Amino acid sequence: DAGVIQSPRHEVTEMGQEVTLRCKPISGHNSLFWYRQTMMRGLELLIYFNNNVPIDDSGMPEDRFSAKMPNASFSTLKIQPSEPRDSAVYFCASSWAGGVYEQYFGPGTRLTVT
Amino acid sequence: AQSVAQPEDQVNVAEGNPLTVKCTYSVSGNPYLFWYVQYPNRGLQFLLKYITGDNLVKGSYGFEAEFNKSQTSFHLKKPSALVSDSALYFCAVPDTHSGNTGKLIFGQGTTLQVKP
Repeated sequence: DAGVIQSPRHEVTEMGQEVTLRCKPISGHNSLFWYRQTMMRGLELLIYFNNNVPIDDSGMPEDRFSAKMPNASFSTLKIQPSEPRDSAVYFCASSWAGGVYEQYFGPGTRLTVT
Repeated sequence: AQSVAQPEDQVNVAEGNPLTVKCTYSVSGNPYLFWYVQYPNRGLQFLLKYITGDNLVKGSYGFEAEFNKSQTSFHLKKPSALVSDSALYFCAVPDTHSGNTGKLIFGQGTTLQVKP
């Protein structure tokens, strides 16, 4: 299995621009998680989906952030408009939510907003 | 509420010495516990988990963890540290309040520095 796939791996953009991060979970997994990691705030859960349905988006920092999961094999996290404080590494993870199963993380997208 | 605590921000050990990274937990019901490792510029990787049974759980890269119910701890251990073990380590528990969704609650992380 290819594991969780994220794209792009690196993104540099200017303040005010729209940013879209993409994630392909492991085939067969039915839960998907978006995290953000910074030195200051550590690892934060932004939003997660179960069976393509958003379950909890309380970690999404502002209305500028939105996430979708149109099908079981694809999810996006969008920031519009982006701000310098959004600079972070964004991780996607997936798991099988039928018991006590581990999450598998993607390699992350390093976002820099100038 | 389910929670985990990692009391040390950083642990320093010399190569070849045993290492311990500490984790304590607070859960209702049966404790299920995980350890993850994050190498520089990488995503988190699953190391091991405790569900039930033997209190000593063996995982990847020679790591093991000891479940101690009386002390509500799940410390990560390795008999002989390698420089390549230098990384950020996270302890985690399932968030049972979210139902069966696979959500995990992570500790704040402990940086392990192994010096030659």
